[in-house]
Parts: sequence; structure tokens; C-alpha cells
Amino acid sequence: QVNLQESGPGLLKPSETLSLTCAVSGYSINTGYYWAWIRQPPGKGLEWIGRIFRSGTTSYNPSLKSRVSMSQDASENQFSLKLTSVTAADTAIYYCARQFIESSTVDYWGQGTLVTVSS
Amino acid sequence: SSELTQDPAVSVALGLTVRITCQGDSLRSYYASWYHQRPGQAPALVFYSENVRPSGIPDRFSGSNSGDTASLTITGAQAEDEGDYYCSSRDTSGNLVVFGGGTKLTVL
Repeated sequence: QVNLQESGPGLLKPSETLSLTCAVSGYSINTGYYWAWIRQPPGKGLEWIGRIFRSGTTSYNPSLKSRVSMSQDASENQFSLKLTSVTAADTAIYYCARQFIESSTVDYWGQGTLVTVSS
Repeated sequence: SSELTQDPAVSVALGLTVRITCQGDSLRSYYASWYHQRPGQAPALVFYSENVRPSGIPDRFSGSNSGDTASLTITGAQAEDEGDYYCSSRDTSGNLVVFGGGTKLTVL
């Protein structure tokens, strides 16, 4: 069974950098899937942030591209998200997930972590 | 990029059939994936590709595609099927993922 668990600060001030890590168990991130971040503002829909592949190649949502970076640590079997210069609009539940390479399909999701941006 | 459009809300009587639709240009080239989200929970994959239902998903869930529209059909809706349903696909460039705005399903 594949499990994903997000971790990181739940409260940030405007202009700070959001940093989250996703620990994966039950599957090696060096094997053939993308590893993605998806967020959901309270009461709203899902937004794909981006994904990283085992080679380190990334793809980001154009609406966030200037502020987003993703990385991975194969030795720890985890991957990470950084989002700079956060504002209240970045308040959301952040999910890490496993995404098929050949499609948009996400078959495993973390439980999600709420990040609130407030002064 | 591209957009996927879903009806905001749909209702169905217990035991009857309901169709949830998702429309967008990217669906002419890429299959949709469908997710069910209950309050306070992460989304769960319920259907994807041309005709694939993940293990553990009841066979009352089925999907179809026609032109720029993908549909998720629940045949014999149950109370536990209530919640939000989201579609996703690749965008028209093929490099990114887009989600529909979600459909809130109420089982009466």
C-alpha cells in the first residue's frame, strides 16, 4: 500500500516562503511515476501546482511558476514543495500525490495539510 | 492551458441514475480522470482512462467520452455517493494538469 504524508508549518505570514515535504512509503519515488502537489482553498476546488519526476525534471502550473520550486530526496524517499512570497490567496489544503506519467490521473493522495497565510 | 467546466450541483434520488459531465477542449485529445471527495477527506480516484475503475470502486460507477465532453455515470446512486466530484485531464499542451471546478452531488 502506498502512503503519502505531508509535513510543514501550518501558519505563515505574508511574504514568507511555504515549505512542505511529502514522505512516501510503500513505493520508491525513483520508480515510474510523477510526484505532484495539488492544493484546495477552503470551500473551493482543486488546483494542480506541479510535479517532479525521478530525473528531477519538473513541470509547474503557469499561474504559480514564478514562485514555485519542487525537489526530491531519493535517499529519504520524499519530495518537497517551496512557494515563495505567499499571500492570503495561498491559504489552502496542500496535498501531495502520485500521478501517472501518461495522463493526469492521480491514484494516491496524502491526507492533506492546511496552510494558513495570515498576518 | 485549458479549462474544464462542470455543473456546480446535481441531485439524484436514492437508487436512480445520475450523470456528471465535464467539458473542455483538452478532452478531445485526453481522457478524463474522476475523483470523489467527501467533506474533510482527500479526493479519491473513482474512474479514469477510457474505461478503468480502480480496485474497490463499485461497478455502479462508469465513464464515457464524446467529443469535448466526458461523463461519469452512477447507476443506482447510494447515500455514500454524496460529495464533490472533480474531473481532470491534461491541458491542451499535454504538459500540465487541469481540474474542473467540481460538481456537488446530493442524493435525495
